[in-house]
Amino acid sequence: DAGVTQSPTHLIKTRGQQVTLRCSPKSGHDTVSWYQQALGQGPQFIFQYYEEEERQRGNFPDRFSGHQFPNYSSELNVNALLLGDSALYLCASSLMAGQYFGPGTRLTVT
Amino acid sequence: AQKVTQAQTEISVVEKEDVTLDCVYETRDTTYYLFWYKQPPSGELVFLIRRNSFDEQNEISGRYSWNFQKSTSSFNFTITASQVVDSAVYFCALIPLSSSNTGKLIFGQGTTLQVKP
Repeated sequence: DAGVTQSPTHLIKTRGQQVTLRCSPKSGHDTVSWYQQALGQGPQFIFQYYEEEERQRGNFPDRFSGHQFPNYSSELNVNALLLGDSALYLCASSLMAGQYFGPGTRLTVT
Repeated sequence: AQKVTQAQTEISVVEKEDVTLDCVYETRDTTYYLFWYKQPPSGELVFLIRRNSFDEQNEISGRYSWNFQKSTSSFNFTITASQVVDSAVYFCALIPLSSSNTGKLIFGQGTTLQVKP
């Protein structure tokens, strides 16, 4: 049974560019959440998707958007990248309370 | 406020010592879940345990044990006979269950544990 998978593993982008990160949830899980983890900090909640709708959102600007597909996989899009967007982006999937995380995508903005 | 505090930023122990990681939480909700995650250098958050607010029984899993006390809003994590492989960052997290929160995890700042041989 595959766990949560994320792609790509690493990414380097230039300020002002746009990026798309991808996540496939654990088998049987219908909810996907995205978190941003800056170096030395705890993860911060970006948003959560359920039944292809954004169900809850954290304190992130509209530059951060997402999507969930009918197979429950999800994408995180970030537009107009800033240097401060450099972080580890974690995807978590869940069926009920309790979230299982993927390995993350490390985004570096130069 | 809904918050998780891990006051210990870094802990260093020698292998085989016992170590306790502290976690204090704040929430207005009466129903909530508490979690511990381990984050090794690879970056992936590894789920260790989930407790709900109605179950104050302590739990033991091998060398790991958890002490949940609602009276002090604490959910502490003890590693017995620590090993070098326990070296990682440990996060305590909270999901308060209310109409406004459907599953957002609120994390503490993390405690870096270093176990020296």
